[in-house]
Amino acid sequence: GAGVSQSPRYKVAKRGQDVALRCDPISGHVSLFWYQQALGQGPEFLTYFQNEAQLDKSGLPSDRFFAERPEGSVSTLKIQRTQQEDSAVYLCASSLGGGFRAHYGYTFGSGTRLTVV
Amino acid sequence: AQTVTQSQPEMSVQEAETVTLSCTYDTSESDYYLFWYKQPPSRQMILVIRQEAYKQQNATENRFSVNFQKAAKSFSLKISDSQLGDAAMYFCAYRSRLPSGGSNYKLTFGKGTLLTVNP
Repeated sequence: GAGVSQSPRYKVAKRGQDVALRCDPISGHVSLFWYQQALGQGPEFLTYFQNEAQLDKSGLPSDRFFAERPEGSVSTLKIQRTQQEDSAVYLCASSLGGGFRAHYGYTFGSGTRLTVV
Repeated sequence: AQTVTQSQPEMSVQEAETVTLSCTYDTSESDYYLFWYKQPPSRQMILVIRQEAYKQQNATENRFSVNFQKAAKSFSLKISDSQLGDAAMYFCAYRSRLPSGGSNYKLTFGKGTLLTVNP
């Protein structure tokens, strides 16, 4: 597609429920990033993929968070046993380049707003 | 660790006037990249302008320009001839190396400045 597509746009989950957030990057983009943006804050890095390889997951806040990109295109961020502190906007970004070139043309999606009640 | 500080939670400007948003950062690196992103209510982060630290010339994109002071670690954004469509959250960001090393980087963002444009 023309841009980075994320679904759902809004998700309400009961505490303890598992959720899956989808990111459909621009076709052919090598790099894919997930960021978490809490209310009133800037986005914070979660994880980075280059094609299907997850090269860095240092930002994942706990082992309840898991991300995958099995075929090097669509990515899914899964959160198990959601907690109230997981409430945030989850942003996905993709880039044509990999490595240090990844930030030359970085396109964000519109995010998924997750609310845990 | 690299940090990015935006000291102005909110700013306002009259339409057609000029406004400057402040950003300071902390780093021990000599070569790095800095960015300003705009986030309207649609939530999509949109790149406004990018500055390479090795370039002494300040970046300019139409009505948007930066004042990059490397020694002071300051990176302010100037918006000239402000338009109603400029109203949004503005984030300053720094490209920082990931723990996995190599050529893997992430963006580290400040907390943002909410810009209001008054007609």
